[in-house]
Amino acid sequence: DTEVTQTPKHLVMGMTNKKSLKCEQHMGHRAMYWYKQKAKKPPELMFVYSYEKLSINESVPSRFSPECPNSSLLNLHLHALQPEDSALYLCASSNRDRTLNTEAFFGQGTRLTVV
Amino acid sequence: RKEVEQDPGPFNVPEGATVAFNCTYSNSASQSFFWYRQDCRKEPKLLMSVYSSGNEDGRFTAQLNRASQYISLLIRDSKLSDSATYLCVGGNFNKFYFGSGTKLNVKP
Repeated sequence: DTEVTQTPKHLVMGMTNKKSLKCEQHMGHRAMYWYKQKAKKPPELMFVYSYEKLSINESVPSRFSPECPNSSLLNLHLHALQPEDSALYLCASSNRDRTLNTEAFFGQGTRLTVV
Repeated sequence: RKEVEQDPGPFNVPEGATVAFNCTYSNSASQSFFWYRQDCRKEPKLLMSVYSSGNEDGRFTAQLNRASQYISLLIRDSKLSDSATYLCVGGNFNKFYFGSGTKLNVKP
């Protein structure tokens, strides 16, 4: 099973709303990622969790708040977003062990529109 | 300077053609390299990992040149279904960076 599941698939939210994106994997991967992808651009790294701890924050605004409740789940809490935050948000996971293949597997993404 | 750079294309080729993409990376400490394929409005899907010794999977061959810091992808006997954007990725086990993607259009 190489599946990463993201919910919801589509989300429309107002600038004053609070919403959360969810991601789940059952591959035993100990690294999980949030990426943001704008149209016709490559995915851009936002956050990395390693062993349930935040290891990388690529200077993401505080209106995006990640959370890793356990090794299988990753959330992204959204608050007071701007229209320019509209994008495809991708979750990924990979092995944390250098001796194993470290390919990242991606979920189908949440297409977010901020109005 | 971007971590990973690649020619955005598009590459327009006829069915059956052989096409090659190159990608350069700036961080000599990068250890892991991959090629992903992304179809329009879909998530990136892993095509293949890239190993130092080079590796082949059917019609696809990937190469890594650490001295020159580039990776390549060769597609032989192109199919219409190969039309997509091909993203090269470099990094290490906890940080992956994507190139801008190369768009491939395979025409009948």
